[in-house]
Amino acid sequence: EAAVTQSPRNKVTVTGGNVTLSCRQTNSHNYMYWYRQDTGHGLRLIHYSYGAGNLQIGDVPDGYKATRTTQEDFFLLLELASPSQTSLYFCASSDGDWGPGQLYFGEGSKLTVL
Amino acid sequence: GDSVTQTEGLVTLTEGLPVMLNCTYQTIYSNPFLFWYVQHLNESPRLLLKSFTDNKRTEHQGFHATLHKSSSSFHLQKSSAQLSDSALYYCALSGGQGGRALIFGTGTTVSVSP
Repeated sequence: EAAVTQSPRNKVTVTGGNVTLSCRQTNSHNYMYWYRQDTGHGLRLIHYSYGAGNLQIGDVPDGYKATRTTQEDFFLLLELASPSQTSLYFCASSDGDWGPGQLYFGEGSKLTVL
Repeated sequence: GDSVTQTEGLVTLTEGLPVMLNCTYQTIYSNPFLFWYVQHLNESPRLLLKSFTDNKRTEHQGFHATLHKSSSSFHLQKSSAQLSDSALYYCALSGGQGGRALIFGTGTTVSVSP
């Protein structure tokens, strides 16, 4: 079973604050993804990566930056957080061998922007 | 761009009755990969079913789905719902191989009562 761990699990910040969400996967997967989950919108792709140093823009990238420093680590950065970014964020990884491969999700990071 | 439509936001039913969740998709790719993910309360999404073969029934854990490219559909069915089937179900699409990111529908919440 793939292991994907996220931190922090819960974060509260104020409008304009700086937030970094971290994700680490330990199964040597090439592909990593950041999604946000909101009622009525489902899971929406923010950014994803094919490997260290690679970054691809997803469907809702505005207000987010991401960086893939190693094969294991993928970070999501909110430099000027806004209340609209209050959400549950999921990181996922896959090996990409079967189409996109099976996604393995982390536990989620709940972000509240006041 | 690619899109996935799940028409039911909430499905409520009694234990023992059949379940059918609708999923249709739009994609420019001729060989899409379709998935169903399930997310139980306070858990992360996990893979339930996947398919890329036209008109072939795929089964797992009592659920089944058939990809119909002619109608761009991948409906999820189960003959007899259980209380433990109460969860959020996502249909997802990928246009092809190589780690291409999944696009998720808005999700259908299934609530099964005794």
